[in-house]
Amino acid sequence: GAGVSQSPSNKVTEKGKDVELRCDPISGHTALYWYRQRLGQGLEFLIYFQGNSAPDKSGLPSDRFSAERTGESVSTLTIQRTQQEDSAVYLCASSVTRGTEAFFGQGTRLTVV
Amino acid sequence: QQQVKQSPQSLIVQKGGISIINCAYENTAFDYFPWYQQFPGKGPALLIAIRPDVSEKKEGRFTISFNKSAKQFSLHIMDSQPGDSATYFCAAEGSATNKLIFGTGTLLAVQP
Repeated sequence: GAGVSQSPSNKVTEKGKDVELRCDPISGHTALYWYRQRLGQGLEFLIYFQGNSAPDKSGLPSDRFSAERTGESVSTLTIQRTQQEDSAVYLCASSVTRGTEAFFGQGTRLTVV
Repeated sequence: QQQVKQSPQSLIVQKGGISIINCAYENTAFDYFPWYQQFPGKGPALLIAIRPDVSEKKEGRFTISFNKSAKQFSLHIMDSQPGDSATYFCAAEGSATNKLIFGTGTLLAVQP
């Protein structure tokens, strides 16, 4: 596809379960970002990947959150032992490199019940 | 120092009027300032962006004004239309942060 693809689009999970969210960036984009957006709120930075450099994990809210990306391909965001406050839309974006247009996916709406 | 402060939180404008949204930053290492538009249920999409070597950039009805000394930048939407009703986010990125930091967003409603 031509755009950033995220899956699943919606996820309902029980409190305490682990979830894995997937992001397929645009081919050739070296930069990849994950953000969290709670209902009616702004975009909260989670993690940033740039090529093969060490990721910037400074936005991850707790050690229950982790993300991986192999090279310039797919990224997965994993949330362990989900809590109700994890309910939000998780957005992924990619760009050719830093300082260029970031293209966002449609997001994964996570609901923890 | 990595924050981007955005105001107002919400804005109501009459059709044909001018919408103005403001942002301020503290980190002088920021060198890329985009504005994103988000419709409900969609991911944000780039509207217009500016770099600090210019003070103004215009694309159609959308203009960014940039004041480097004041560390402020603003979005002006001329001849606002109901279809412009959306949430607008300013953002900043720089060599020191290496990540795109967003403001808190402005919910714009353009009344017909």
